Amino acid sequence: KNQVEQSPQSLIILEGKNCTLQCNYTVSPFSNLRWYKQDTGRGPVSLTIMTFSENTKSNGRYTATLDADTKQSSLHITASQLSDSASYICVVEGGTYKYIFGTGTRLKVLA
Amino acid sequence: NAGVTQTPKFQVLKTGQSMTLQCAQDMNHNSMYWYRQDPGMGLRLIYYSASEGTTDKGEVPNGYNVSRLNKREFSLRLESAAPSQTSVYFCATGQGTVYEQYFGPGTRLTVT
Repeated sequence: KNQVEQSPQSLIILEGKNCTLQCNYTVSPFSNLRWYKQDTGRGPVSLTIMTFSENTKSNGRYTATLDADTKQSSLHITASQLSDSASYICVVEGGTYKYIFGTGTRLKVLA
Repeated sequence: NAGVTQTPKFQVLKTGQSMTLQCAQDMNHNSMYWYRQDPGMGLRLIYYSASEGTTDKGEVPNGYNVSRLNKREFSLRLESAAPSQTSVYFCATGQGTVYEQYFGPGTRLTVT
């Protein structure tokens, strides 16, 4: 069964600290992996898209990694800010227009 | 540029009523999508339109119909609403598969 599992479910960190969110997937075939940020009450916003051949991709303070052999991805947030408080969603596109969404990691950044 | 707009923002329906959720984009994207988001579950694709004039079923199409009115607009219709359709509905657009998607602000629908 195609699945995307994210951990932890929730995370609280202090402003300025770094954190890493995990995404494990069992999706076949694999087309690409995406990370989205979703603020409460808003639609998701794309952070990165990674294809099979990409190991690392950065978007400002967000760095995503992909290990296609172990079917794992991580999202690293550097020097967290209060505005980073949101849900972070991992999505795998498994075949054309077949999107498998994780349930997200809810991040809270405290001052 | 408004990006992706959705109307209405909130709606309460009684079981059996019908309604249409509207989505419009000014990004000149080819593809448009309708998703639903339920607590404790990942977003699920209801229908998509790869290009103007085409529509296809996603993962959870039962109870819904769609219309790609033109390149800008993609509507989602509930013919006979059921409590199981209580959810937050998101429209998204993109240039196609493998490209990033841009989401609208969502419509929060409650069916009693």
